[in-house]
Order: sequence, then structure tokens, then C-alpha cells
Amino acid sequence: KAGVTQTPRYLIKTRGQQVTLSCSPISGHRSVSWYQQTPGQGLQFLFEYFSETQRNKGNFPGRFSGRQFSNSRSEMNVSTLELGDSALYLCASSRTTTGELFFGEGSRLTVL
Amino acid sequence: EDQVTQSPEALRLQEGESSSLNCSYTVSGLRGLFWYRQDPGKGPEFLFTLYSAGEEKEKERLKATLTKKESFLHITAPKPEDSATYLCAVQARSGGYQKVTFGTGTKLQVIP
Repeated sequence: KAGVTQTPRYLIKTRGQQVTLSCSPISGHRSVSWYQQTPGQGLQFLFEYFSETQRNKGNFPGRFSGRQFSNSRSEMNVSTLELGDSALYLCASSRTTTGELFFGEGSRLTVL
Repeated sequence: EDQVTQSPEALRLQEGESSSLNCSYTVSGLRGLFWYRQDPGKGPEFLFTLYSAGEEKEKERLKATLTKKESFLHITAPKPEDSATYLCAVQARSGGYQKVTFGTGTKLQVIP
């Protein structure tokens, strides 16, 4: 059974640019969550989608946005990148909105 | 606001030297407590879910326990391959939705 797939794995951007990250959940999983992981803050919740609807959102500025498609695949977008956005962005899927999360390997974003 | 605190931040053990990791939490309406393992450069990997005080789960050299205020991850006779960061997370009701809050993790190093 294929796991959660995130693309791209690594990317380098400059301040002011925007970036789009993609996540394909495990087949049959309808919930997708996004997290930002940094050495100092740990995993910080960004948002959760279930059946194409955003169900919950963390305390991040409006520059961070996401969406989910009918096939449960999800994308997140960060506009007007700042140096502090450098982090590992993790996507996790689950069958429902409760229970254990299954994570992808992450997209490591470096902002110069 | 939900809080999850893990201790110690880092732990260095000799191979075979048993120890415990602590996860203390403050949440209202706990729906579940999760333990994950994260290897460098990878996404967290699910280990256990605990739902109620007194519950215990075991997997190989790992045993997780839960009380009303904290959880312990006991590692018996660890091996070098157990070296990783162990993350604790709690799921609780938040404004009609389920919210997951992660601790910052305990980095375990097992020396041969």
C-alpha cells in the first residue's frame, strides 16, 4: 500500500516568491493535514482538509493557504515568502478526522 | 490552550540501558494521545494510540502508558536502531473540531 507522497522533496526560493507544495494521501484516506516543522518550534499545525473542505486552521498568516481536490490530493501555497518560512513542511493523511496520522517524508523549503 | 511538554529534550543511553520518556499534557476533552517516532530527514512514523488513563500498549522494546496528566514511553534494553526523535501528540476537541497538538520531542541516542 503506497504511503503519503509529497512533492517536491527539496526546494530553494528567494524572499518574496511563492511556492506550492503537493501531497497525495494514502488511498482511501479523506483527511489531509499540513504541519510546519522547525528546530525551535517543533510541529506546528497549519490546516486540515476533509472531503475538500477546510475543517480547521492553525495560527498562521493568510500567506499560507491550501486546498483539497476531489481525489483527496492536497496542495498548500505560501505567498510572499519570508526567511522564517524555511522549514520542513509535512503532510499527513488519515481515514477520518480522528485517529493516527500517516506522514509523508516532507518538503524541505529553504528561503534565501 | 492545549499544551504538550516532553522531557527530557535529549537522552543518551548505552545499549541495553532501559529508560523512560515523559509527555505531560494539559488539554480539555482529550480524545487520544499518540506517540510517533521520527528519523532524521523523514516524516514521523506512528507508534501508539492511547485513549484512557490506565491504558498500556506495547511494541517490541517500547511500551506506552497513560495517566490523566501524562504518558510515558518506556524503552527496555534499547538498541542503536532505536535512536530517533520520539514525539508525543494529543488530540482534543477544539471549537467543534478535533485538533492535534504535538510536543517538541525527545531525541534519543543509543550508543553501542
